[in-house]
Amino acid sequence: DQQVKQNSPSLSVQEGRISILNCDYTNSMFDYFLWYKKYPAEGPTFLISISSIKDKNEDGRFTVFLNKSAKHLSLHIVPSQPGDSAVYFCAASRKGAAGNKLTFGGGTRVLVKP
Amino acid sequence: DVKVTQSSRYLVKRTGEKVFLECVQDMDHENMFWYRQDPGLGLRLIYFSYDVKMKEKGDIPEGYSVSREKKERFSLILESASTNQTSMYLCASSFGHRLDTQYFGPGTRLTVL
Repeated sequence: DQQVKQNSPSLSVQEGRISILNCDYTNSMFDYFLWYKKYPAEGPTFLISISSIKDKNEDGRFTVFLNKSAKHLSLHIVPSQPGDSAVYFCAASRKGAAGNKLTFGGGTRVLVKP
Repeated sequence: DVKVTQSSRYLVKRTGEKVFLECVQDMDHENMFWYRQDPGLGLRLIYFSYDVKMKEKGDIPEGYSVSREKKERFSLILESASTNQTSMYLCASSFGHRLDTQYFGPGTRLTVL
């Protein structure tokens, strides 16, 4: 049973517009959330994170929103650029987890059209 | 700059063969991880290690084992490869705090025939 789900496997958006990626989780023990970005033939790279004590975190064009009551987070990319075309993974960390074990979602492939 | 390297980018093996995947990090990280990535399933944790000679099972350890004899090196072993182990294998490392970022290697695409 997937504890972190990304229900949209793909997303296509025009350059300059907003990309919105969604992620849902089921485990209420998750208290730290991350987004990773992956290009083909490369490993994922960290993009942005948010702690459960916040409901928003912003870094340049990237903003992550957390709605704890709905167990939902989203990543907004504004404005979208062709270089943003990649697969985006949502991940979560649980209180008490050994090391910094992460649980990942299935990923959303984003295509930004010029 | 953090560097995580994996011994092979592409590997083709036959069913029943023993397979070794090697991962090396150069940042003196305490934690190291092995994931497999499959379409629609995202990254699933196979094993991780938080210190030399220490290991813990992840979510899908069946059919795999690991070895960490030195801090910088973490090996994933498929004792008897099977076709359902055809996948992209990703190694990652991080410092020991729970909120520390994981840094990933480029991945090894393993095909088991």
